[in-house]
Amino acid sequence: GENVEQHPSTLSVQEGDSAVIKCTYSDSASNYFPWYKQELGKRPQLIIDIRSNVGEKKDQRIAVTLNKTAKHFSLHITETQPEDSAVYFCASNSGGYQKVTFGTGTKLQVIP
Amino acid sequence: NAGVTQTPKFQVLKTGQSMTLQCAQDMNHEYMSWYRQDPGMGLRLIHYSVGAGITDQGEVPNGYNVSRSTTEDFPLRLLSAAPSQTSVYFCASSRGRRETQYFGPGTRLLVL
Repeated sequence: GENVEQHPSTLSVQEGDSAVIKCTYSDSASNYFPWYKQELGKRPQLIIDIRSNVGEKKDQRIAVTLNKTAKHFSLHITETQPEDSAVYFCASNSGGYQKVTFGTGTKLQVIP
Repeated sequence: NAGVTQTPKFQVLKTGQSMTLQCAQDMNHEYMSWYRQDPGMGLRLIHYSVGAGITDQGEVPNGYNVSRSTTEDFPLRLLSAAPSQTSVYFCASSRGRRETQYFGPGTRLLVL
């Protein structure tokens, strides 16, 4: 089955700096790569996603890049703010159905 | 729209007891999934469904049963609870294979 590895497990940055979280996947048939943000005690919520027919997608301070050849994708957050502090999960789909595999999460702390 | 709802919010069980975690969505989504979230292990897929009457196993299905008799509801049954099933359980739904998953608020389960 699909294996998704996510690094780092924890990340601390100063407010205003950039943060980068990286994920690799194993299934070459995967074609959808979402990123979810989970604040403490809350449910995960989608922040951005990318499909395999594009290499980069941006939404204000958030961007995701995809390298299908290398089977890795990354989340980039610029100009970080304290409210960006949360756990971030990458994921990828695999197989013919909605079988989504999540990474183990990155706890991001933005220091004011 | 209420989105995805889950009941109960919190439950304590004794080893060997059975129970059903309820999940419902009012968005007419075909795809529904159950995940468990444990510290340091991200979200792991238990079972998923691609429509009424169709279910399949995820990564960690042992000890859990599901059924999908309607589009709206996707209950998760614990047959004989074990301490290893202590976790936070999230239900999610989406419109399609490569679409946003909407998560419920979660059920925190403690098995003694």
